[in-house]
Amino acid sequence: EAGVAQSPRYKIIEKRQSVAFWCNPISGHATLYWYQQILGQGPKLLIQFQNNGVVDDSQLPKDRFSAERLKGVDSTLKIQPAKLEDSAVYLCASSYQPLPDGYTFGSGTRLTVV
Amino acid sequence: GESVGLHLPTLSVQEGDNSIINCAYSNSASDYFIWYKQESGKGPQFIIDIRSNMDKRQGQRVTVLLNKTVKHLSLQIAATQPGDSAVYFCAENTGANSKLTFGKGITLSVRP
Repeated sequence: EAGVAQSPRYKIIEKRQSVAFWCNPISGHATLYWYQQILGQGPKLLIQFQNNGVVDDSQLPKDRFSAERLKGVDSTLKIQPAKLEDSAVYLCASSYQPLPDGYTFGSGTRLTVV
Repeated sequence: GESVGLHLPTLSVQEGDNSIINCAYSNSASDYFIWYKQESGKGPQFIIDIRSNMDKRQGQRVTVLLNKTVKHLSLQIAATQPGDSAVYFCAENTGANSKLTFGKGITLSVRP
């Protein structure tokens, strides 16, 4: 079974620029999650999708972050404009249903904002 | 506020010894807990989980203990190997949508 695919692996941008991350979940996984992991900390949930609908985006900074999951498969997370404090690893995870069981994480995208 | 935390930031053990990683949680309503292992440049990898109606669960070389009275979770790794070197996170399930709250992580370093 293929894992959760994310791209790019690394990204360096200047503050105030925009950036987008892509995630392809495991086939058949209805639930998709985006996490932000700042260096030295545990992942923090940004947004959770069930198919193509948003279940929880309470911790997503909506003034600059946006995410979509068209057709309930792939997802993109965008930051515009980026700030220095957005430097982090952005992890995508997927699961069969909205349960912690079977969470599978991708390797993440490491973003550096300079 | 509610949080999941770890008592020690780093743990160094001798190869072959047993490791114990501890975690305190504050949300008494949490009903599901997971231990993750994260190696450099990779996403968190599931190790073992436990539900709140259990006190202990064993896997291959790993055991998770849950003490709901003091809201404490521990991960025991038997015969620690160099490949066990990584950052370990405990996470708790909060909310109806199965949101996971992670602790800050502890680094396990295995000495040869």
